[in-house]
Amino acid sequence: KAGVTQTPRYLIKTRGQQVTLSCSPISGHRSVSWYQQTPGQGLQFLFEYFSETQRNKGNFPGRFSGRQFSNSRSEMNVSTLELGDSALYLCASSRGLAGPTDTQYFGPGTRLTVL
Amino acid sequence: QKEVEQNSGPLSVPEGAIASLNCTYSDRGSQSFFWYRQYSGKSPELIMSIYSNGDKEDGRFTAQLNKASQYVSLLIRDSQPSDSATYLCAVKGVRGGGADGLTFGKGTHLIIQP
Repeated sequence: KAGVTQTPRYLIKTRGQQVTLSCSPISGHRSVSWYQQTPGQGLQFLFEYFSETQRNKGNFPGRFSGRQFSNSRSEMNVSTLELGDSALYLCASSRGLAGPTDTQYFGPGTRLTVL
Repeated sequence: QKEVEQNSGPLSVPEGAIASLNCTYSDRGSQSFFWYRQYSGKSPELIMSIYSNGDKEDGRFTAQLNKASQYVSLLIRDSQPSDSATYLCAVKGVRGGGADGLTFGKGTHLIIQP
């Protein structure tokens, strides 16, 4: 079974621009979660989408947004980029089941550099 | 605010020995606990999950959970140089019937010395 895929793998943008990242979950998985990883803050939860609806949200400003399509693929958008947005953005997919056993599997990530 | 604490290391262990990684968490409502391994420049890879108090073994890996003490650990037996990586402890609560985002510790950098 194919794993989680993310595109693009690397991006270089300048301050003030916007960026869109894409994630395709494992086949059969309906939940997609997004995380930001930086050396200083570690891995931080951005938001989770399930059945095209944002189900959970972390503590990030409104510049970070996302959406999910009917095929469970998800996109994340960051507007008005800041230098501090440079990070590895990770997507994780899961079945999205209620209860404790739902397990997330990570994609390879998108490395975003903001100049 | 949920917190997950890990010793950042580096933790240096001789090849063939047991590596012991520890994690504490602040939210008593947490129900799921995960260990991910992350090699430098790569994404996290799931190693173990545990939901009930006690031990769970999978090959050379054993996860231990003590909810009363809010403590999770990972033991790696017969450590190999390929086990050298950063190990991330992740905790998840369940609310409203839906899933919750994972809260991660900063990770422990493990070095297995040949």
